[in-house]
Amino acid sequence: AQKVTQAQTEISVVEKEDVTLDCVYETRDTTYYLFWYKQPPSGELVFLIRRNSFDEQNEISGRYSWNFQKSTSSFNFTITASQVVDSAVYFCALSEAGNTGNQFYFGTGTSLTVIP
Amino acid sequence: NAGVTQTPKFQVLKTGQSMTLQCAQDMNHEYMSWYRQDPGMGLRLIHYSVGAGITDQGEVPNGYNVSRSTTEDFPLRLLSAAPSQTSVYFCASSYSNWWQGSSETQYFGPGTRLLVL
Repeated sequence: AQKVTQAQTEISVVEKEDVTLDCVYETRDTTYYLFWYKQPPSGELVFLIRRNSFDEQNEISGRYSWNFQKSTSSFNFTITASQVVDSAVYFCALSEAGNTGNQFYFGTGTSLTVIP
Repeated sequence: NAGVTQTPKFQVLKTGQSMTLQCAQDMNHEYMSWYRQDPGMGLRLIHYSVGAGITDQGEVPNGYNVSRSTTEDFPLRLLSAAPSQTSVYFCASSYSNWWQGSSETQYFGPGTRLLVL
């Protein structure tokens, strides 16, 4: 079973529109960590945020915001006033505290295209 | 710090050939991992290591070997390449107590693009 589901494969928005990328996760652990990464066309992976399961406060960083809801097992990512530079593939990931090592489970990614 | 480095950046192999993808980090991280990225599949964990001399299998380990003789290096070996191993490979590293503090959890290398014909 997929531990992290990103149902939106591709999204296109016009510049300055807001866009929300969905992430639904599955785990039986009470302690876990959620992440978002950005992969621009150049291919590198850029860390955006880490959130632990005990902290449900929403977080805002500039035009980026994250909504963590344990009740729905979701960790959604919103970009406000999108820009062309936001065009990238975005990955949501999960790490469970019960892991013996460093196992991270990634979603399949959402490809965002921002049209100028 | 150079961070996480990977070599080569791009490689073409013929079916049956062997090769080693190199990964090195200079941050004294205990944890290191190898992922492969395929279209529509996201990143999948191949092998990981929690310290020198210790390795374990991830989600898709078949066809790959790893070893961790030093803290800095974590090479990935393809003993007999197959077209199904055509992919982009990412190496990552982190501290063993990465959940503490607010710093970035995993540091990723720039990736190696592998094409097996």
